Amino acid sequence: GQNIDQPTEMTATEGAIVQINCTYQTSGFNGLFWYQQHAGEAPTFLSYNVLDGLEEKGRFSSFLSRSKGYSYLLLKELQMKDSASYLCAVRGGDDYKLSFGAGTTVTVRA
Amino acid sequence: EPEVTQTPSHQVTQMGQEVILRCVPISNHLYFYWYRQILGQKVEFLVSFYNNEISEKSEIFDDQFSVERPDGSNFTLKIRSTKLEDSAMYFCASAIDRFRPETQYFGPGTRLLVL
Repeated sequence: GQNIDQPTEMTATEGAIVQINCTYQTSGFNGLFWYQQHAGEAPTFLSYNVLDGLEEKGRFSSFLSRSKGYSYLLLKELQMKDSASYLCAVRGGDDYKLSFGAGTTVTVRA
Repeated sequence: EPEVTQTPSHQVTQMGQEVILRCVPISNHLYFYWYRQILGQKVEFLVSFYNNEISEKSEIFDDQFSVERPDGSNFTLKIRSTKLEDSAMYFCASAIDRFRPETQYFGPGTRLLVL
């Protein structure tokens, strides 16, 4: 089975940086994904890591350490519109289905 | 920009009734998925579909659930006899390639309420 943990809530100030951690224990590994989900809306794809290291995409970066079962999503220059839930998801090694964490609700304050 | 569409946006049904949730995936996509999200809980994978058959399914996807691609554009999820615990947001998703996750797009969801 898959066990994926991430903090429930985080609060940060507009313009600041926030780091959302995700740890996972899975039977096999075939990639880690981050999605953004605004309340009442569908998840939207942010990033994908399959190899160790940092992937940077504009204001968002994602890091993966497979040996530690650990990833983080870094949000820089926070904007009010970044207030959302951020979902960590892992794809197992034996199949291609995604297992999601419960999500981290980020609140950006002025 | 192409998008996945779902109908209806909201559905209310009585326990024991059958419901069909409809999705129109992006036209050149080959892989189709259903997920559900119970209010306040995590997104859960239900089933994936490729080449007119189920490729993977979760433990949630029991005999009460079925999927179909009745024509070249629609992808449906049927729940035969709804239970209270089936109340959730149901998301359809489609992808060009199962190996390219950045190509998986989610639809806006159908909120199902079972009374």
